[in-house]
This record gives sequence, C-alpha cells and structure tokens, in this order.
Amino acid sequence: EDQVTQSPEALRLQEGESSSLNCSYTVSGLRGLFWYRQDPGKGPEFLFTLYSAGEEKEKERLKATLTKKESFLHITAPKPEDSATYLCAVHGSSNTGKLIFGQGTTLQVKP
Amino acid sequence: AAGVIQSPRHLIKEKRETATLKCYPIPRHDTVYWYQQGPGQDPQFLISFYEKMQSDKGSIPDRFSAQQFSDYHSELNMSSLELGDSALYFCASSRLAGGEQYFGPGTRLTVT
Repeated sequence: EDQVTQSPEALRLQEGESSSLNCSYTVSGLRGLFWYRQDPGKGPEFLFTLYSAGEEKEKERLKATLTKKESFLHITAPKPEDSATYLCAVHGSSNTGKLIFGQGTTLQVKP
Repeated sequence: AAGVIQSPRHLIKEKRETATLKCYPIPRHDTVYWYQQGPGQDPQFLISFYEKMQSDKGSIPDRFSAQQFSDYHSELNMSSLELGDSALYFCASSRLAGGEQYFGPGTRLTVT
C-alpha cells in the first residue's frame, strides 16, 4: 500500500530563516511526486511534479528535490506570505492517477 | 488561465438529505478526480473518471455516486447524508490520467 509521511507537522520560522520540509514515501512504483500549497479553506495549489531520483525544480523561494525514498521542499529566505500548509502527494501503483497525500506541514513565517 | 470550477461553494444540509456537487474541469482536461478533506486532515481520494468512464474508486461510501458527462463536467451525488460527511469536497482535473492535477476551490458541505 502506498504511504506518504511528512515532517515536521508544523514549522515556525522567522522571516528570512531558511529551512526544509520532508516527505518520505513508500510506493511499489513511483509515477510522480507532487507538491501542493494549501491555504485555509481553499483548494490545493499545484507547485511541482518530480518523476525520478535526482530531479530538482525551483520556483521563486521554493526548491523541490527527490531521492528514491524521500523528497524535500527547501524554502529559502521565506516571507510571511509563504505561510500555508504544504502537501506532498504520490502517484504510485495506481495507473489511474489517484494521489495519496501526506498529512502536510503547516508553515508559519513571522515577520 | 481557466481553472477548475466547483459549485456550490457552500452547502448546508440536514441528516438524511441528499446533495449534488458539480465540477467543471479545465478545458481539454479529460480526467476528473474527487477528494474529501475532513477538518485538519489530508485529502482522501474518492473516485475518478477518464473520458466519461469511471477509472478508479477509493474509500467512497455506497451512499455516494458520481458520473462524468459528455461535456466532461462531473457530479457527485450524496444521499442519506450523515454528520460525518461534513467536509471540504475537492474536484481536480488533469490532462491524461497521471498528469498534474489542478484542484478547484472546493465545496464546503455542512450536515446538521
């Protein structure tokens, strides 16, 4: 059974304090790993897709990396507007594309 | 750019009533997914459709049914509502199964 575990559950940073969020996964065959940002009461907003170990993608202050067992979302010099819940999801053994989500990391960036 | 549209955005129903949630995918997206997100929880996959055919089924109660129509919009029908059905319901669409999924704003269902 495909599983995703994210850590930490919550993270509080000062503005400008860089850090990383972790996503560990267990799948029989990874077809894609996805990162989403979710603000309270809103739909998840797509950030990145990673397909193979060693792949990296960047967008503004965010950088996602992938190994065979985990993914990291690095946040460089975060701003208060980066505060949100970050969800990791995998498209694993199913060939229909359904996503299995982790519990998310809730990030709070204080000015 | 066009996004996924869901209606209604908020819905309040009483126990044992029925509810219908609608989803309009991004143009040219042929795959639709439904997810349920309880308070403080991650989204849980319910059901998906590819080219108007059901493609996968998750932990969806037998009281729920869904379909995708010829114009690719989808509807989630929920009957005999229970208090535990209160949640955010998201629809997502992708171009081909396994592609990047884009989520709608969700429908907040409250069952009283």
